[in-house]
Amino acid sequence: GAVVSQHPSWVICKSGTSVKIECRSLDFQATTMFWYRQFPKQSLMLMATSNEGSKATYEQGVEKDKFLINHASLTLSTLTVTSAHPEDSSFYICSAEGLAGSYNEQFFGPGTRLTVL
Amino acid sequence: RKEVEQDPGPFNVPEGATVAFNCTYSNSASQSFFWYRQDCRKEPKLLMSVYSSGNEDGRFTAQLNRASQYISLLIRDSKLSDSATYLCVVNAEDSSASKIIFGSGTRLSIRP
Repeated sequence: GAVVSQHPSWVICKSGTSVKIECRSLDFQATTMFWYRQFPKQSLMLMATSNEGSKATYEQGVEKDKFLINHASLTLSTLTVTSAHPEDSSFYICSAEGLAGSYNEQFFGPGTRLTVL
Repeated sequence: RKEVEQDPGPFNVPEGATVAFNCTYSNSASQSFFWYRQDCRKEPKLLMSVYSSGNEDGRFTAQLNRASQYISLLIRDSKLSDSATYLCVVNAEDSSASKIIFGSGTRLSIRP
């Protein structure tokens, strides 16, 4: 199947710093990528839909000025957590939408575990 | 009401047992449905898509009931390695965009 990478896989930072997470589709082009957040023992929550060449669409309750998304190419989307605080500590997962046969399938990155001290 | 609802479990069953999960969705316009498996601290991995006619992949059978808006997953002859969280996923896509909604997941634990 298609491969999606994320970098870094984990990061620890001080409160107030910004953290950038990269999501790359390695062997296919993805016009749409999704960013999710998962708190312990909870399901994935969609944060935003990232479309190549246009502004991201944010879900209700997600601050677009805090979670900056850039989808500059068909293989790369970045999520920047600005001025991170301890409550932003979470598991961030991206997915890229690609064709698998006749339907669109979500291919997930391995996730980035963010810990804000 | 949540858009996609699942029984969180945990389901604790002996090896070899058959276990079934259900999932309900609220958006009748939803177009595609999936079951994902997520191991602890890992990303979700696609287990199987769910087709209107129902589909089977080895020990796993998925069914869709559009009229009642629910999806099911049946695991037969369960193995220890089946222990994981199973996520029901609904894509309420339209012509312009996909909207992927995850259920909260059902935790399954298989005991020897």
